[in-house]
Amino acid sequence: ILNVEQSPQSLHVQEGDSTNFTCSFPSSNFYALHWYRWETAKSPEALFVMTLNGDEKKKGRISATLNTKEGYSYLYIKGSQPEDSATYLCAWAYNTDKLIFGTGTRLQVFP
Amino acid sequence: GAGVSQSPRYKVAKRGQDVALRCDPISGHVSLFWYQQALGQGPEFLTYFQNEAQLDKSGLPSDRFFAERPEGSVSTLKIQRTQQEDSAVYLCASSGGGAGTSRRLFFGPGTRLTVL
Repeated sequence: ILNVEQSPQSLHVQEGDSTNFTCSFPSSNFYALHWYRWETAKSPEALFVMTLNGDEKKKGRISATLNTKEGYSYLYIKGSQPEDSATYLCAWAYNTDKLIFGTGTRLQVFP
Repeated sequence: GAGVSQSPRYKVAKRGQDVALRCDPISGHVSLFWYQQALGQGPEFLTYFQNEAQLDKSGLPSDRFFAERPEGSVSTLKIQRTQQEDSAVYLCASSGGGAGTSRRLFFGPGTRLTVL
């Protein structure tokens, strides 16, 4: 079954808290793993594209890790800010054509 | 252009009506994807173009859905005889290079289609 699962579905944190989300995907036929941030009324914006087992990527306060053998990726946000409030989507590619998206984690950061 | 644009942003159609959704990708981007996002779900793959060639259309839900990209730039997604279950946000995305999913996708703002 080609299914990508994200947890938790939603998260409410206080400004300054650090948080992390999980993306689980099939461990066979891995091609790439994408993370996107989708703010309300805007277009989804790419955070990371990872292709190698053990990849770690960082962009400011946000980082991601990848384990293709066990089929999971973690996204970490250090010191959450209200502007981090968004839906975070992960997507798994098993070939060049298709990304299979999870349903997302909705993050709300309260000041 | 500066980014991917889609038009219209909102479309209300009566059941049975035909609709056409337009996507203008970033200039020079080879790969173009269409996704459908129903309420509460993640985006679901519809179809993939590399230049003008439609390489994968396995995600199109029925033969009422048709997509084209005749000159390898602008793409149109057409839905014939719309049904209520077609109500969704339709997202277009483009990326540079030919190996579509190994590169980040640039998404448009989506078209929200409501079928009454």
